[in-house]
Amino acid sequence: DVKVTQSSRYLVKRTGEKVFLECVQDMDHENMFWYRQDPGLGLRLIYFSYDVKMKEKGDIPEGYSVSREKKERFSLILESASTNQTSMYLCASRDTTNYGYTFGSGTRLTVV
Amino acid sequence: GIQVEQSPPDLILQEGANSTLRCNFSDSVNNLQWFHQNPWGQLINLFYIPSGTKQNGRLSATTVATERYSLLYISSSQTTDSGVYFCAVDTGFQKLVFGTGTRLLVSP
Repeated sequence: DVKVTQSSRYLVKRTGEKVFLECVQDMDHENMFWYRQDPGLGLRLIYFSYDVKMKEKGDIPEGYSVSREKKERFSLILESASTNQTSMYLCASRDTTNYGYTFGSGTRLTVV
Repeated sequence: GIQVEQSPPDLILQEGANSTLRCNFSDSVNNLQWFHQNPWGQLINLFYIPSGTKQNGRLSATTVATERYSLLYISSSQTTDSGVYFCAVDTGFQKLVFGTGTRLLVSP
């Protein structure tokens, strides 16, 4: 069974901290994505990656960066966490042969 | 950018009832997908359906691309169908734009 694993289910960080959210997939997918989910706003794309070392900005990249050094791992970095980045963060990978998306179980980040 | 609207925003059903969820989108799309998010937050891909009709058990979906809408049908609903249903579209830039979802509660 295919899997996307996010390293933490719940995370509490202080304002100004540098935060790393890790995502690992075991399906050899080239495409990976980071979304954030907020009530009433649905899911919004932060960054995505076509392949190793490639990244593209999504709709709300401000305050975030990403790293993809290996195919299976896509990291989201909050350079200096702020309270408005309190949210649920969802990682996904995509099978380019059938457009199927697999999501991780999410990381609920609280910035205090 | 493309707008994706879902209706109704909330739906409450008795177990065994049928329902139809709607997704309207404002531009041509290459890709349309339906997802279910269970009460624990896990998102599951239900259908990839840029056009036509597909069925999977009690669920089926129809997309009429020329009229820019898609419908998700749930028949004989069960409590495990509860959660949020999202429609998401891709206009060709390989990134999905999600609607705000339909929250479904199926009561026993």
